Amino acid sequence: SYEVTQPPSVSVSPGQTASITCSGDKLGDKYASWYQQKPGQSPVLVIYQDTKRPSGIPERFSGSNSGNTATLTISGTQALDEADYYCQAWDSTTAVVFGGGTKLTVL
Amino acid sequence: EVQLVESGGGVVRPGGSLRLSCAASGFTFYDYGMSWVRQAPGKGLEWVSAINWNGISTVYADSVKGRFTISRDNAKNSLYLQMNSLGAEDTALYYCAREDLGDGYNYVYWGQGTLVTVSS
Repeated sequence: SYEVTQPPSVSVSPGQTASITCSGDKLGDKYASWYQQKPGQSPVLVIYQDTKRPSGIPERFSGSNSGNTATLTISGTQALDEADYYCQAWDSTTAVVFGGGTKLTVL
Repeated sequence: EVQLVESGGGVVRPGGSLRLSCAASGFTFYDYGMSWVRQAPGKGLEWVSAINWNGISTVYADSVKGRFTISRDNAKNSLYLQMNSLGAEDTALYYCAREDLGDGYNYVYWGQGTLVTVSS
């Protein structure tokens, strides 16, 4: 079955740019989405179809997907961005799969 | 306002069964595909199953295939997950989620989840 891999943790200083990667075989041929989850809360979709932002998501969140890697980029990271982030991959031939999650620490 | 409210969770013995429900409101339920996603305590998200708008098409994760059945009742604005042959690995918070934003399983709206604990 298809799998995607994320780093367990990423650290960033306030105001800097955070990049969280998601790796999988030919991931660029699939759609990648990203979810933010804070403790005790349901996930929030921040990027879908590789690069699109849902309504209400700040412009500092952006995404890319090419080759074997999808990347979530948070520009001007704020303390409130500290959360777990999950990538999700999908195409019409595979079931939906989530990555293991990345804990983003803003320090 | 879109609302998804899960129910039916609880403690069940290994090998037992449970049926989860998700009550939807604030939108035209039959216009949307729906999914179940679970999260084991302290762990990551795991996609479980999805169903299209009319219930004709269903898909499952390999980990639950043959044990879980997703269904819906559009007249009752409700989504269901019948879970059989439960094991400890099925202990998790189960979320229902609405599919949005075109192609792909993009989940904008989630419920708060219902906790299933499989324990003897």
